[in-house]
Amino acid sequence: QQQVKQSPQSLIVQKGGISIINCAYENTAFDYFPWYQQFPGKGPALLIAIRPDVSEKKEGRFTISFNKSAKQFSLHIMDSQPGDSATYFCAASGPDKLIFGTGTRLQVFP
Amino acid sequence: GAVVSQHPSRVICKSGTSVKIECRSLDFQATTMFWYRQFPKQSLMLMATSNEGSKATYEQGVEKDKFLINHASLTLSTLTVTSAHPEDSSFYICSAGQGVGQPQHFGDGTRLSIL
Repeated sequence: QQQVKQSPQSLIVQKGGISIINCAYENTAFDYFPWYQQFPGKGPALLIAIRPDVSEKKEGRFTISFNKSAKQFSLHIMDSQPGDSATYFCAASGPDKLIFGTGTRLQVFP
Repeated sequence: GAVVSQHPSRVICKSGTSVKIECRSLDFQATTMFWYRQFPKQSLMLMATSNEGSKATYEQGVEKDKFLINHASLTLSTLTVTSAHPEDSSFYICSAGQGVGQPQHFGDGTRLSIL
């Protein structure tokens, strides 16, 4: 019940395309869903986050879609750029800790 | 934005050495800090939750006598890997938050290599 499932494991997108990463959770007590971006040798950086009372949140080229009834949420990166190439982690937060997804390695080719 | 500083960024040392890693929240007070371990191409694994002024809460399977955590102030938590061995080699990352349900901000990690 504490797991967060993330897919795909890796994703290759052409420059300008849309990157979509999906996550699913079981525990309905989770109340905060952030996405993190991690470059090699660096710590994760908070990208965008959503709470379950909202179905969508957009910040620049990054959008989170949230489906509370299905217990799923996804990250959409519009107009993907080579600089977006990184590993992306979804996460879900309960009262005391973050549970991370398994990660998606995104490669954006020119 | 919230900044978390982690030091050192890289440590190489001999087997049997104890290594201390510092995690500081630079522009906010963090009542709770978290320590993670990350193996290559894997996700972050929570090791322990560090609470200011009290004992850390360790996740199942993490040896508390091996990984000593101290959170003496609202801006500093330390992780000491005692008598480190090659299997302790990993990427250790700390994070800090401003409360329950608030964003966690991560340090840039410490690459620990035990020879």
